[in-house]
Amino acid sequence: EVQLLESGGGLVQSGGSLRLSCAASGFTFSSYAMSWVRQAPGKGLEWVSAVIDSGDDTYYADSVKGRFTISRDNSKNTLYLQMSSLRAEDTAVYYCAKAVVPAARGYYYYGLDVWGQGTTVTVSS
Amino acid sequence: QTVVTQEPSFSVSPGGTVTLTCGLSSGSVSTSNYPSWYQQTPGQAPRTLIYSTNTRSSGVPDRFSGSILGNKAALTITGAQADDESDYYCVLYMGSGLVFGGGTKLTVL
Repeated sequence: EVQLLESGGGLVQSGGSLRLSCAASGFTFSSYAMSWVRQAPGKGLEWVSAVIDSGDDTYYADSVKGRFTISRDNSKNTLYLQMSSLRAEDTAVYYCAKAVVPAARGYYYYGLDVWGQGTTVTVSS
Repeated sequence: QTVVTQEPSFSVSPGGTVTLTCGLSSGSVSTSNYPSWYQQTPGQAPRTLIYSTNTRSSGVPDRFSGSILGNKAALTITGAQADDESDYYCVLYMGSGLVFGGGTKLTVL
């Protein structure tokens, strides 16, 4: 069974840092691009960042560019999101999601497939 | 900055057909935007319905279909069921990343 399990969320002060992890299982992790998507309380979904299968290329929403860093460790089947200079508006549930097709057949933006259950980040001001 | 637009809310009768749309505040949606659609119920993670305009994700019933209608992407639900009552989000590829629409709250009554 394909599974994604996020961890690392919590309460952090404004200006602080946090690292989220997403442990993948049930598929060949190193063959797929991965994304982070967040959802602020009572709001809609917002794409945050993506990384290609090798980890060599990364992409960010303007709202987090320069503050967040996406990375992956294919030997550990784990995706990361390093968040720094956190703001109150970063408060959200953060989901990791797998690209719908392997990198050999398409790009991260073709669609998102399996989603984790999310981890909650609360930034206090 | 271009905004992805969706109807804030929609209602459909059980057994009826509804088409939700996904547009751009400036310009037209095309297959090059790789529109995809996601369903979300409160407190749950999103579920993928459609990707790359019209490809159904694994396990999604064929009463869900995607297309381009005019200058927008569209999600059509035929034979609506009570458990289709959810929030529906579209996503478009905008060249520098993905952009979600604001979502449509679908009521089945």
